[in-house]
Amino acid sequence: QKEVEQDPGPLSVPEGAIVSLNCTYSNSAFQYFMWYRQYSRKGPELLMYTYSSGNKEDGRFTAQVDKSSKYISLFIRDSQPSDSATYLCAMIPVNTGTASKLTFGTGTRLQVTL
Amino acid sequence: NAGVTQTPKFQVLKTGQSMTLQCAQDMNHNSMYWYRQDPGMGLRLIYYSASEGTTDKGEVPNGYNVSRLNKREFSLRLESAAPSQTSVYFCASSVSAYSNQPQHFGDGTRLSIL
Repeated sequence: QKEVEQDPGPLSVPEGAIVSLNCTYSNSAFQYFMWYRQYSRKGPELLMYTYSSGNKEDGRFTAQVDKSSKYISLFIRDSQPSDSATYLCAMIPVNTGTASKLTFGTGTRLQVTL
Repeated sequence: NAGVTQTPKFQVLKTGQSMTLQCAQDMNHNSMYWYRQDPGMGLRLIYYSASEGTTDKGEVPNGYNVSRLNKREFSLRLESAAPSQTSVYFCASSVSAYSNQPQHFGDGTRLSIL
């Protein structure tokens, strides 16, 4: 079983819809959570970075963390065709004094249609 | 502001050939990383350099070598390329591998080995 599970999609939604992207994880040591957006033939671009349970909002994007359920979500409001990309979740464990390494989900491909 | 720059963007090699992938960052980050990205496998860490003068193995180091040339530059070398090394390679950097700060990625090198 992978440490981080993410549905690969593809997820197709009409323009203007609310999108929910999710990851589950098994390692309770994960404390820092990120969402990256990756356009085709480009590198991952950091969208959101959160620590601890709760919500963080940035424009049309909201990141939600539920540590008790080991579940994180990214919500996109008023989705646009320009949001069409692959979304990767990533996590870092609590700092133990050794080098922290990101653990990635495999990504969910999102297509926003006109 | 270029961020993380990778060269070349594309390369085709024959089995057994050698090649060095170059990466440079202009964010004054201490730590740098090399990943490979394969369909269904997500991003996997090959090697990282927590600070200038140090390098360590990641999840999939076999068949690769790295050099941290200075604070800005981190190269990845394939000594004898194999078809299994066909992949997209990403370089990333962060403030410090010992903090919980996210990583920032370049746009990748697409490598095909025939």
